[in-house]
Parts: sequence; C-alpha cells; structure tokens
Amino acid sequence: AQTVTQSQPEMSVQEAETVTLSCTYDTSESDYYLFWYKQPPSRQMILVIRQEAYKQQNATENRFSVNFQKAAKSFSLKISDSQLGDAAMYFCAYRSFGGTYKYIFGTGTRLKVLA
Amino acid sequence: SQTIHQWPATLVQPVGSPLSLECTVEGTSNPNLYWYRQAAGRGLQLLFYSVGIGQISSEVPQNLSASRPQDRQFILSSKKLLLSDSGFYLCAWSVKIPGTYEQYFGPGTRLTVT
Repeated sequence: AQTVTQSQPEMSVQEAETVTLSCTYDTSESDYYLFWYKQPPSRQMILVIRQEAYKQQNATENRFSVNFQKAAKSFSLKISDSQLGDAAMYFCAYRSFGGTYKYIFGTGTRLKVLA
Repeated sequence: SQTIHQWPATLVQPVGSPLSLECTVEGTSNPNLYWYRQAAGRGLQLLFYSVGIGQISSEVPQNLSASRPQDRQFILSSKKLLLSDSGFYLCAWSVKIPGTYEQYFGPGTRLTVT
C-alpha cells in the first residue's frame, strides 16, 4: 500500500523569505500523481500544485515550485517570497495513475509566516 | 463552473444520536465522490469513495456509512454517534477524464459529539 510522510509538523518562515516543506512517499507504482494542498484557517482545501510522475520537469505555479525526485520518492514544496497569506496547513497527497481513484494524504505541515 | 456544497456547516450532536451529512456537486456529471475525516491536528483520513450511483467503497471499518442516491449527491450517515466521530468532515469530487485528476473539496462540516 502507498504511504505519504510529512516529517515536519510545523515550520516557520520570515515574510519575504523562502521555505521548503518536505514530503516522502512509498509506492511500487511507476505512474502516479503528486499534489500539494493548502488548508488555511477557513479549512477550505485548496490545490497548490500538482506533478505527474512521468514528467521529469518540476512543476511551478508562481511562487510555488516542487523538487520532485522520483528515485528518492521525494516531493518537496518550495515557497518563495513568503507572504502572510501563505500561513496554513500544507498537505502532500498521492494518487495512483489509474484504478481506484484513491488519494492518500500526509499528516500535514503547519506553516507560520512571521512578519 | 463546478461547485460543491456541504451542509450543515457545524453540528453538535449527543452520543448515540443519528447523523446525516449531505454533499452535492453542481456543474459536472458522473463525478467520483469522496468523504474524508480530519481529526484535530491530523491529516485527512479517507472514509468512503464512490465512482457511481449506488457504488460505495469503504476504507475504514466504523459505525459510519455512505450512500449515493443520485449522481451528484453523497450522504454520510450514522445510526449512533460515538465520541470518536467528532471531527471535520470534508466531501470532495474528481472527474474521470484521463489527464484531469485534481480533487476539489467542499467547505466541510465540523461535527462535535458530546
């Protein structure tokens, strides 16, 4: 069975600085998708970025980028120029390419942004 | 555009009482539907998912059940709530079109069992 591990329960970053959130996963599959979701205090889950495992190029969305290391099964999220609105819980998630459409989430990292 | 609704937003129920949480999706057809529970300070635990009307897959044995009476309606139920059922319940949907695989979440229901 697939697992997703986020080993950092909490992280802090100064406003305008850069922070990296870590995520590792375990799978025997070769094709899959990876995601980072943001959950602000409103608790609405928001998709931040996605990565297809068959793509070698790391995904980027504005200030958010990932470092996808398939062999190491690592999928970290880098937030550049951190803003107060980035403060939230961040969840890493995995989905198989086909089959059951199940998504597996990590336990989350709480990001605090310091003014 | 697609939207997903959940109600109620907040619920306080005594132990042993029944539960019914509803989720509806608008603007799409034949979606995959999901129920998650998020305990305080914890990640998301997948409870049920459905790929079609009447098709329910259970991920965690518990006193909860799910039903999908209509294409875009997903209901989470319990006959008798336990204290451990307290948490934040999220409904989500995804499409089956190859190449599109994001999951979209509703606003959630905060359930407190007293």
